[in-house]
Amino acid sequence: EAQVTQNPRYLITVTGKKLTVTCSQNMNHEYMSWYRQDPGLGLRQIYYSMNVEVTDKGDVPEGYKVSRKEKRNFPLILESPSPNQTSLYFCASSRGTLKTDTQYFGPGTRLTVL
Amino acid sequence: AQKVTQAQTEISVVEKEDVTLDCVYETRDTTYYLFWYKQPPSGELVFLIRRNSFDEQNEISGRYSWNFQKSTSSFNFTITASQVVDSAVYFCALSEAKGGSYIPTFGRGTSLIVHP
Repeated sequence: EAQVTQNPRYLITVTGKKLTVTCSQNMNHEYMSWYRQDPGLGLRQIYYSMNVEVTDKGDVPEGYKVSRKEKRNFPLILESPSPNQTSLYFCASSRGTLKTDTQYFGPGTRLTVL
Repeated sequence: AQKVTQAQTEISVVEKEDVTLDCVYETRDTTYYLFWYKQPPSGELVFLIRRNSFDEQNEISGRYSWNFQKSTSSFNFTITASQVVDSAVYFCALSEAKGGSYIPTFGRGTSLIVHP
């Protein structure tokens, strides 16, 4: 089954404690991205990756890091989380950017930083 | 800078009614992509459609249809014969294509409630 998995689904942590949210897709997709969703601010892209070892900043990259060492994985790293990073995070992947390239989303990770 | 406006915050209809969700965008680029996404109450995000700026053909997929009008910078989404399962928040998004990569800007979303 084609899917994007994210772990953990829920996480409560404290300020400054490094964490990683994993994202993995089984469709051999080249394009992957991370979004955060906040009430009143909507969805915003954090980082994206066009292929292995190719990553680029989205709209709101501050406080986040990503890596793309393998095609299937695109982890989101918060080196020193702060309360303003409390949010709902989505990972997404697609084969490319053509009209016919469906974008698949993970189930979301709800992060709370105390 | 790119911008997406979904002026309808919430729409309430009765099952079987047709409903149109409006999306108006602003961009200075001639090459860009437009998207619609659905977020049902369960919270997941579902991709519905991607359209590039050179393809003004309207699209129909079952009960869903999309009307792209470059002249009015609109990309409206119509659900025909709405069903309760269509209840969700719908997001329109725009991304300018720069060097083959893009960063989407999302509208604030329209909450659609379909009553039985």
